[in-house]
Amino acid sequence: NAGVTQTPKFRILKIGQSMTLQCTQDMNHNYMYWYRQDPGMGLKLIYYSVGAGITDKGEVPNGYNVSRSTTEDFPLRLELAAPSQTSVYFCASTGGDPTGELFFGEGSRLTVL
Amino acid sequence: EDKVVQSPLSLVVHEGDTVTLNCSYEVTNFRSLLWYKQEKKAPTFLFMLTSSGIEKKSGRLSSILDKKELFSILNITATQTGDSAIYLCAAVNFGNEKLTFGTGTRLTIIP
Repeated sequence: NAGVTQTPKFRILKIGQSMTLQCTQDMNHNYMYWYRQDPGMGLKLIYYSVGAGITDKGEVPNGYNVSRSTTEDFPLRLELAAPSQTSVYFCASTGGDPTGELFFGEGSRLTVL
Repeated sequence: EDKVVQSPLSLVVHEGDTVTLNCSYEVTNFRSLLWYKQEKKAPTFLFMLTSSGIEKKSGRLSSILDKKELFSILNITATQTGDSAIYLCAAVNFGNEKLTFGTGTRLTIIP
């Protein structure tokens, strides 16, 4: 049972480069989320989705884009990477009732130099 | 905008002590509050609270929600070094399905 899978686990980018963080879940969850976590801080919501074809901004969406073409996949794209985007990124999902437990991926550590 | 505040930000205690972690929230259309423990990697689920005054318990950990005063507490009794972690709470907004996390409490247990 894979759960939530994120790739890559680590990545170093140069300023101005672009990349996509991949997230896929095999639990048929409707709700998916992208969070970033800076050192010593909590989780800040970047984007979320309540189902295929539907996405919405969270607290810190600037510099990011998402898409949700299927229930399983929720990629996060960074355009024109900046040092401020150096962080650990977590993808998470939950079932039809969003009050339930969030299932997290293992995280992706991104460094922008 | 939804807001979740945790206190203290950091706490250092000796093994065997009891600790209380606090989480207050301001969320329109509040649905539930979640507690997570984060060690080195992704957060792991502890509790989900939806009703006031009903304690959730798991071993030495317990939690309760007060929907009138808009806060929750997480208690850990007889702490062990394995309890050292960041404890996160998150509030769920029923209207837009957003989960808003607090900044977390970093708990350190000294042997």
